Amino acid sequence: GAVVSQHPSWVICKSGTSVKIECRSLDFQATTMFWYRQFPKQSLMLMATSNEGSKATYEQGVEKDKFLINHASLTLSTLTVTSAHPEDSSFYICSAGVVQTSSYNEQFFGPGTRLTVL
Amino acid sequence: SQKIEQNSEALNIQEGKTATLTCNYTNYSPAYLQWYRQDPGRGPVFLLLIRENEKEKRKERLKVTFDTTLKQSLFHITASQPADSATYLCALGDNDMRFGAGTRLTVKP
Repeated sequence: GAVVSQHPSWVICKSGTSVKIECRSLDFQATTMFWYRQFPKQSLMLMATSNEGSKATYEQGVEKDKFLINHASLTLSTLTVTSAHPEDSSFYICSAGVVQTSSYNEQFFGPGTRLTVL
Repeated sequence: SQKIEQNSEALNIQEGKTATLTCNYTNYSPAYLQWYRQDPGRGPVFLLLIRENEKEKRKERLKVTFDTTLKQSLFHITASQPADSATYLCALGDNDMRFGAGTRLTVKP
């Protein structure tokens, strides 16, 4: 149980194009979904938090117009990198959160998407 | 500003020994502290969670301690195996979870 998938697992695109990454919770409904970015040998950095049907909350320094997040249902969130540039090349990881009985928000992580912008 | 530091970028140990990884934090009072395993090119996999009112947690060969006075957590893997080789991340909080940079553990046969 608690499986999160991401699609695609890797993508290569030209500079200036837009790329959409999907995150799905396969066997549960997530109250919240999170998007992280990880550069080589660095920590996961939280980019944004989204709840189904409402606007995402972006972390400081993350451009909301560049990283569009749509959270259309309790099992699907998408991240669109608009007008991608080489510096956007990174490993993007989503997680789906479920509030446990102890009020702790447990996160289940997807396998990640490797984005390379040429 | 908040900081999460994992003591070393890499740790090499011999199979069968105990691996000890450290996570220190500043300007933070997390209610939860978690440890994850991450393999290359993969997302993190949850290992253990410890709450601020807990001193120690165990799961099979894993043990986590949490000292809120020292602002430190120790993560132990006993009887280590080559299959334990991975990067281990500590993370603080839940909704606004913040990760350390990780320690890359290599267990040599």
